Amino acid sequence: GENVEQHPSTLSVQEGDSAVIKCTYSDSASNYFPWYKQELGKRPQLIIDIRSNVGEKKDQRIAVTLNKTAKHFSLHITETQPEDSAVYFCAATDSWGKFQFGAGTQVVVTP
Amino acid sequence: SQTIHQWPATLVQPVGSPLSLECTVEGTSNPNLYWYRQAAGRGLQLLFYSVGIGQISSEVPQNLSASRPQDRQFILSSKKLLLSDSGFYLCAWDPDDVSGNTIYFGEGSWLTVV
Repeated sequence: GENVEQHPSTLSVQEGDSAVIKCTYSDSASNYFPWYKQELGKRPQLIIDIRSNVGEKKDQRIAVTLNKTAKHFSLHITETQPEDSAVYFCAATDSWGKFQFGAGTQVVVTP
Repeated sequence: SQTIHQWPATLVQPVGSPLSLECTVEGTSNPNLYWYRQAAGRGLQLLFYSVGIGQISSEVPQNLSASRPQDRQFILSSKKLLLSDSGFYLCAWDPDDVSGNTIYFGEGSWLTVV
């Protein structure tokens, strides 16, 4: 089955700096890679996703890149703000369409 | 539009008591349904998933069970809770169209076993 590894587990950045979270996956047939943001005490919510036929996708201050050859994908947050503080999860769907989540990254943005 | 509802939002239960968490999805048919558990400060652990009525797959051995009595209803149960069952339980769904659909989570249920 699919195995997704996510790094780092915690990330502290100064407000205004960029944050990058990286994930690797094992199933070369995986074709969908969403990213979720979970604020304290709340449910994870989709913030951006990318499909295997695209190498990069951007939505305002967040972007995701995908390298299918290397089987890794990354989330980039630019000009970080305190409200970006949360836990971020990457995920990949295996060849059966089942989601496999990474372990999560706690992002702390300090003013 | 599709919505997912999950209840109760919080509950405190004594060890050995039963549990029932309920989840319903509206605005879609034949969704894939999931139950996840999240211990404090930890990741998302898949407990059960269902591709149709009466079809339940268990991901981890435990004292929990799941049922899907109707197309858009998913229930998580336990006959006797353990302290280790405490956590944040999330119901989720995705449309059963093609591989690569987004999972949407319910609001979650905080369970504290005392």
